[in-house]
Amino acid sequence: DGGITQSPKYLFRKEGQNVTLSCEQNLNHDAMYWYRQDPGQGLRLIYYSQIVNDFQKGDIAEGYSVSREKKESFPLTVTSAQKNPTAFYLCASSITGPVNEQFFGPGTRLTVL
Amino acid sequence: QKEVEQDPGPLSVPEGAIVSLNCTYSNSAFQYFMWYRQYSRKGPELLMYTYSSGNKEDGRFTAQVDKSSKYISLFIRDSQPSDSATYLCAMSENDYKLSFGAGTTVTVRA
Repeated sequence: DGGITQSPKYLFRKEGQNVTLSCEQNLNHDAMYWYRQDPGQGLRLIYYSQIVNDFQKGDIAEGYSVSREKKESFPLTVTSAQKNPTAFYLCASSITGPVNEQFFGPGTRLTVL
Repeated sequence: QKEVEQDPGPLSVPEGAIVSLNCTYSNSAFQYFMWYRQYSRKGPELLMYTYSSGNKEDGRFTAQVDKSSKYISLFIRDSQPSDSATYLCAMSENDYKLSFGAGTTVTVRA
């Protein structure tokens, strides 16, 4: 069954702690993305990666970090430097090329206590 | 001003009605236009995509793009309660970056 998995579904963290969100895909897609979704603001791009061992900052990269050591995996770390981390985080993947049809995972709801 | 503007609604219609959703944008370089549907607490799923101007139909869904007016629309005919969701428009130039609207929440009443 091909798809994108994100874990955990819900995550709670204390202020000042780093936390890593998992994203795995078995669609054989080269490109992967991380978005943040807040009420009334739509999706905002945090980071994206077009190929293994390479990634670029999106519109709101401050306070986040990523790695892309394997084609299937693109974990996102929310650091203590992120001032307002409570949000719904979505991972997506796509084939390369101009069509850019992105397929999304089920999301992780992060709450900072 | 946001690059993509979308009325957040909410929009409530009776079952069987036509749902009309739209987005406006400011970047004339956008070439690819998409509509995603997102159920509550789930990831978005792609409904329709269109390249450049024109219409595209898929079952009860019709997407329209008017690049001269920088305006795109999605119509849902014979709406069903299962169509109740948030609908997001998204646009792209010719690269990996998608620009999303804020999403319109639709409720179809049985």
